[in-house]
Amino acid sequence: QITLKESGPTLVKPTQTLTLTCTVSGFSLSTTGVGVGWSRQPPGKALEWLALIYWDDDKRYSPSLKSRLTITKDTSKNQVVLTMTNMDPVDTATYYCAHIVHSSGWYYFDYWGQGTLVTVSS
Amino acid sequence: DIQMTQSPSTLSASVGDRVTITCRASQSISSWLAWYQQKPGKAPKLLIYKASSLESGVPSRFSGSGSGTEFTLTISSLQPDDFATYYCQQYNGYPWTFGQGTKVEIK
Repeated sequence: QITLKESGPTLVKPTQTLTLTCTVSGFSLSTTGVGVGWSRQPPGKALEWLALIYWDDDKRYSPSLKSRLTITKDTSKNQVVLTMTNMDPVDTATYYCAHIVHSSGWYYFDYWGQGTLVTVSS
Repeated sequence: DIQMTQSPSTLSASVGDRVTITCRASQSISSWLAWYQQKPGKAPKLLIYKASSLESGVPSRFSGSGSGTEFTLTISSLQPDDFATYYCQQYNGYPWTFGQGTKVEIK
């Protein structure tokens, strides 16, 4: 059974760096074809894809946020970490991590974590 | 970036209705499209992948079709549990992009 759970601060101040952790179970981050990605959703708005990392450490980022994002994984801890620098109130959102499945040569999200709401305010 | 445009933004329907949601891509994405259902305060749930493949455990009243730039999600007979917001997402190329969502409301 694949599960993912996000953790991190619920409140950050403007200009601070956000660090979110996705702890996974039911699969290994080192298994060929596996990946984990992050998306976010501001209150009442649509989903926005942020970044992902694959089993071979290949990483992809949203071009609009690339300069602020870093994604890493710790296979021994079953964790994927996303950091976002220079936080702003517009970054207030629910942040989700999701499992990436490999099918027919392509990759997509199948299982999602419950999400964690991050508010940016002084 | 590939832009994904859904229509309508909101849809009012009754239980038992046939419902169709459209998603258009700004360039061809072949069949590399997924549909998700999201209920308030909950994470998205995968319904359809590769444009028309039904995810395991998803009721057969959900179906997807299309390729290239135009796609549809159809609910053949709307059930009370189906009132939610639906998102399409392309995974043909990076960055992955989502549509703006279609909210299915009770009429």
